[in-house]
Amino acid sequence: DVKVTQSSRYLVKRTGEKVFLECVQDMDHENMFWYRQDPGLGLRLIYFSYDVKMKEKGDIPEGYSVSREKKERFSLILESASTNQTSMYLCASRKGAAGANVLTFGAGSRLTVL
Amino acid sequence: QKEVEQDPGPLSVPEGAIVSLNCTYSNSAFQYFMWYRQYSRKGPELLMYTYSSGNKEDGRFTAQVDKSSKYISLFIRDSQPSDSATYLCAMSAGYNFNKFYFGSGTKLNVKP
Repeated sequence: DVKVTQSSRYLVKRTGEKVFLECVQDMDHENMFWYRQDPGLGLRLIYFSYDVKMKEKGDIPEGYSVSREKKERFSLILESASTNQTSMYLCASRKGAAGANVLTFGAGSRLTVL
Repeated sequence: QKEVEQDPGPLSVPEGAIVSLNCTYSNSAFQYFMWYRQYSRKGPELLMYTYSSGNKEDGRFTAQVDKSSKYISLFIRDSQPSDSATYLCAMSAGYNFNKFYFGSGTKLNVKP
């Protein structure tokens, strides 16, 4: 079974802390994504990566950065967490051009910033 | 206007009912259509995937795409309490495989 694993399911952090959210996929997918999901706002794309060390900004990149040093791992970094970054964070991956154009999601990381 | 519109519900039905969930969209270039099921506090899981027009059936689930009306549907037959979840539609165009457009999700409650 295709798997996207988000190691931290629930985190509570203080304002100003640096936060790392890790995501690992075991499907050899080229593309990986970070979304946040908020009630009433749906899923919004923060960043995505189409290859190792390659990244592109999504719709709401402000306050976030990403790192993709290995194909299977995509990290989301909150440099200085703020309360408005309290949210559900979803990592997803997608195979390259061949095959079905679908996203496979992880279980999510629920972040609370106090 | 949003690219994808989906009624947020909630939709409450008795067990065994046929459920119809729908999304409309505005971009005629969309070719890839997905339905995801999301249980509370979990990530979305892919339920159905359709390329272009037509119907697709998988067990109790049927996905329909009507590109002329820019309308997609998910039907659930013999609904079960375990189907209670939020259902998200998603779609993308062929010219940008990394750009996905999501509906806001419909919350479904199947009562025993």
